[in-house]
Amino acid sequence: EAQVTQNPRYLITVTGKKLTVTCSQNMNHEYMSWYRQDPGLGLRQIYYSMNVEVTDKGDVPEGYKVSRKEKRNFPLILESPSPNQTSLYFCASRGPGGELFFGEGSRLTVL
Amino acid sequence: GEDVEQSLFLSVREGDSSVINCTYTDSSSTYLYWYKQEPGAGLQLLTYIFSNMDMKQDQRLTVLLNKKDKHLSLRIADTQTGDSAIYFCAASGGSYIPTFGRGTSLIVHP
Repeated sequence: EAQVTQNPRYLITVTGKKLTVTCSQNMNHEYMSWYRQDPGLGLRQIYYSMNVEVTDKGDVPEGYKVSRKEKRNFPLILESPSPNQTSLYFCASRGPGGELFFGEGSRLTVL
Repeated sequence: GEDVEQSLFLSVREGDSSVINCTYTDSSSTYLYWYKQEPGAGLQLLTYIFSNMDMKQDQRLTVLLNKKDKHLSLRIADTQTGDSAIYFCAASGGSYIPTFGRGTSLIVHP
């Protein structure tokens, strides 16, 4: 089944404790992206990647890092999480028609 | 850059039609999408329209595009409680990187 898989789905952590949210897609898509969703603000793009070893900042990259060592994986790294990074995070990959395929989301709480 | 605007809430009665509106700013936007997000889930593509089209119909869904006014609408006929969700409008140009609106929460009540 074609899908985008994120882990963990839910995480509660404390300020400053490094964490990684993994994202994997099995559709051989070149483009992948991370978004955060906050009430009243909709979806905001954090980082995106056009292909392996190519990453670019989105609209809200501060406090986040990404890597794209393989086509299928695009992890999101929070080196020193802060409470303002409490949010719902979505990973997506893009199909040939431009449509995005989203993961189920990762709800992160930073205390 | 592109800016996409949509109203935040819409409430309709079951069986009525719902119309969700969206405006965008970049006249070079080529692809316009509607995504649906059900509670606790990710976004799923509902339908899309190319900028050289005025209308697209798919069962209960009708998408209208007014390119001159940069206005997009999604009409859901015979709205059901299962249609309750957040609907996102998105626009993209040649880069295929979409800009999303803030989402419209559709509430369907009996």
